[in-house]
Amino acid sequence: QKEVEQDPGPLSVPEGAIVSLNCTYSNSAFQYFMWYRQYSRKGPELLMYTYSSGNKEDGRFTAQVDKSSKYISLFIRDSQPSDSATYLCAMSAGGTSYGKLTFGQGTILTVHP
Amino acid sequence: DGGITQSPKYLFRKEGQNVTLSCEQNLNHDAMYWYRQDPGQGLRLIYYSQIVNDFQKGDIAEGYSVSREKKESFPLTVTSAQKNPTAFYLCASSILVNQPQHFGDGTRLSIL
Repeated sequence: QKEVEQDPGPLSVPEGAIVSLNCTYSNSAFQYFMWYRQYSRKGPELLMYTYSSGNKEDGRFTAQVDKSSKYISLFIRDSQPSDSATYLCAMSAGGTSYGKLTFGQGTILTVHP
Repeated sequence: DGGITQSPKYLFRKEGQNVTLSCEQNLNHDAMYWYRQDPGQGLRLIYYSQIVNDFQKGDIAEGYSVSREKKESFPLTVTSAQKNPTAFYLCASSILVNQPQHFGDGTRLSIL
């Protein structure tokens, strides 16, 4: 079983839809949680960074972390065609884990006009 | 503009050849990382470095080597011992460990 599981999709939605992207994990030591967006042939771009449980909002993006369920989510409101990309969740344990990030496989999202 | 520059964007390797991928950052970050990305597998850590002249193996270091002689630079050599080198290679950096990592735009390596 992988430490981090992410539904690879692909996910196709109409413009303006609310998108929900999710990851589950098995390592209870994870404390830092990130979402990255990756366009084709580009490097991942950091979207959201959260520590421990709770919600964080930034514009149209909301990240949720539920450590009791080992589950994180990214919500995109009013989705746009420019949101079409691969979304990667990543997490790390902190402490002496030297900042090692463990990534999900990525979810491919297409927002069509 | 501050950022991470990876070169070249595309690289071809012949059998038995070593190739070196360049990664330079002007973010004044202490930590640097190399990842390999294969379709459907996410990113896997090859090597990382927390400070100059120090680096550690990641999860898939076999067939790869690195150096960290300068804070700004962290080149990756894909040796002939790496039997399946075709992949997208990503370099990242962070201010300190456990801070978010920022990525370059990658080098795509293929076999001739």
